Order: sequence, then C-alpha cells, then structure tokens
Amino acid sequence: NAGVTQTPKFQVLKTGQSMTLQCAQDMNHEYMSWYRQDPGMGLRLIHYSVGAGITDQGEVPNGYNVSRSTTEDFPLRLLSAAPSQTSVYFCASSYSRGARWGYTFGSGTRLTVV
Amino acid sequence: QQQVKQSPQSLIVQKGGISIINCAYENTAFDYFPWYQQFPGKGPALLIAIRPDVSEKKEGRFTISFNKSAKQFSLHIMDSQPGDSATYFCAASPSGTYKYIFGTGTRLKVLA
Repeated sequence: NAGVTQTPKFQVLKTGQSMTLQCAQDMNHEYMSWYRQDPGMGLRLIHYSVGAGITDQGEVPNGYNVSRSTTEDFPLRLLSAAPSQTSVYFCASSYSRGARWGYTFGSGTRLTVV
Repeated sequence: QQQVKQSPQSLIVQKGGISIINCAYENTAFDYFPWYQQFPGKGPALLIAIRPDVSEKKEGRFTISFNKSAKQFSLHIMDSQPGDSATYFCAASPSGTYKYIFGTGTRLKVLA
C-alpha cells in the first residue's frame, strides 16, 4: 500500500518554464489537495478536489492549474514558473469527514525556480 | 490573512518535560481542529484532532485542550522525548468543507 506518491522529489526550473507535479493515491480517497510549504508561513492550500471532475481553488491558486480525471490522480500544473513559486509542494488525500478524519500527505516535491 | 495563529515559533524542552504549543483562530465556523507532526524531509502526519463539542482529547502522551469561548486550542506533549523533536502544525477546518487552514508551525527540540 503506497499511500500518496508524489513525483518528482526534486525539480529545478527556469523562470517561464511549465511543468506538472504528479500525485497519485491508492487508498480510493475522494478528497485530494495540494499545499505549498514556505518557511514561516505554514502550509497554504493551492487547489483541492472533492471527487473526479470536481476541483476548486484554495488560498493561493494563482499560477497553478489542476484537473481530476480519475479518483487516483491529481496533477498540479505550473503554467509559467516564477521564482515566487520556489517552495515545497505537498499533495494530500482523505476519506470522508468522519470522527477522526485527516489528510494523508505525500513526501513532497521540492521545487526551485531560478 | 492568517486565520489560525500559532505560537511559539520554536520551543526547546528538556527530556521528560511538558511541551505546550498554542493556537488561536478567528472564524467561529471552524468545526474540526487537527494537529500534525512533521519530521524533516517528510510530509506532515496526523497526530491528534478535536471537535469543538469537547474541551479535551487525550491520546497517549498527547493532549489537546480546547477553549471554545476564547477561540483557542493547545497541544500538550507530556514526558517529552528526543524522538518528539519535529515541527508541529495546528489546523482548523471550516464546517462542512474538506479544507484545512494551517498555523505557521512550531519547531520543537527536545534535549536529551
């Protein structure tokens, strides 16, 4: 049982380049989210999805796109990378909102934009 | 705008001591308050969580205290161990949503 798998683990991009961060989960979770983690700012929600075909914006969506064509996959696209997008990105998935629900996080993608 | 404020930013505790991390929230529509633990190079992992209809939740050495009227909640780590050294995040979830609003994190170091 792999949980939440993120690829790549590290990436360096040049300003203006585009790329896709991959996220896959094998727990049949309905709910998936992308967060970015920056020093002193905690984790901030970029986009989230409550099921295949349904996505919505979080706190910091600008410069990012998502789609959810299957339950398992939730890729995050950077349209035109900027140095301000240098961060650690986490994908997370969750089952329904029960008594002790919580997100399972992947191990992260460390992105540097130069 | 930070809706969940966490303090302190860093904390050093002797082995066997009590670690206390505090969070305050502004939005009364939050109805779920989890705490996450993160080790370097890893993703955050759910540690313990509480709903606002109870004032305290205990799981092993970890306790959440919740004060609904003050809109504050805190994590207490009893008998702190060097293995507890990590970054801790509080979070709050708006009612009926699947979103979390995280605090800014507390880096805990437990000295052996």
